[in-house]
Amino acid sequence: NAGVTQTPKFQVLKTGQSMTLQCAQDMNHNSMYWYRQDPGMGLRLIYYSASEGTTDKGEVPNGYNVSRLNKREFSLRLESAAPSQTSVYFCASSDRTENYGYTFGSGTRLTVV
Amino acid sequence: KNEVEQSPQNLTAQEGEFITINCSYSVGISALHWLQQHPGGGIVSLFMLSSGKKKHGRLIATINIQEKHSSLHITASHPRDSAVYICAVRRDDKIIFGKGTRLHILP
Repeated sequence: NAGVTQTPKFQVLKTGQSMTLQCAQDMNHNSMYWYRQDPGMGLRLIYYSASEGTTDKGEVPNGYNVSRLNKREFSLRLESAAPSQTSVYFCASSDRTENYGYTFGSGTRLTVV
Repeated sequence: KNEVEQSPQNLTAQEGEFITINCSYSVGISALHWLQQHPGGGIVSLFMLSSGKKKHGRLIATINIQEKHSSLHITASHPRDSAVYICAVRRDDKIIFGKGTRLHILP
């Protein structure tokens, strides 16, 4: 089925470890996003990519890096995980046209101990 | 003050009731989204609208650009409508999210 595929679904890291969250979409969307969702905070933008080859910081970029590998893939890297990065992470993609709206991945629940 | 405010924060209603969730925003936008998040986390886009009104099944979304306000209505509510409903506004290439309205429909 067409959509956004996000891996892994669950991850436990020790403080200081690194990891990469993978995201791929097959809808030919130009824009891709990484969000984190924390209780009482709503969704907050970490980084986004308006098109292949471009990335920009969002609201909470510190501690993260991203790569827009090609039009389909947008990865999020934690170089040295901290307990404050315990959260649920969502990847999303969108198209500017009225018909497509916004499509989310199923989320990654990350715990940093 | 948050740029996107939703009300109410929590809503409990009986099955069959007409539900209204409100969203007000304070910035210029190109579009507004309504999203649904069920327990367990999956987020689904319900509507994207930039003017007027859209309807999909029992769901209706309206937006008033001049008043910077949108509403999401659910007719003949059902327990499976229980979820968090999130309003989000598109500003350039960024999306600003409200904190969501938690809806619980009792059978």
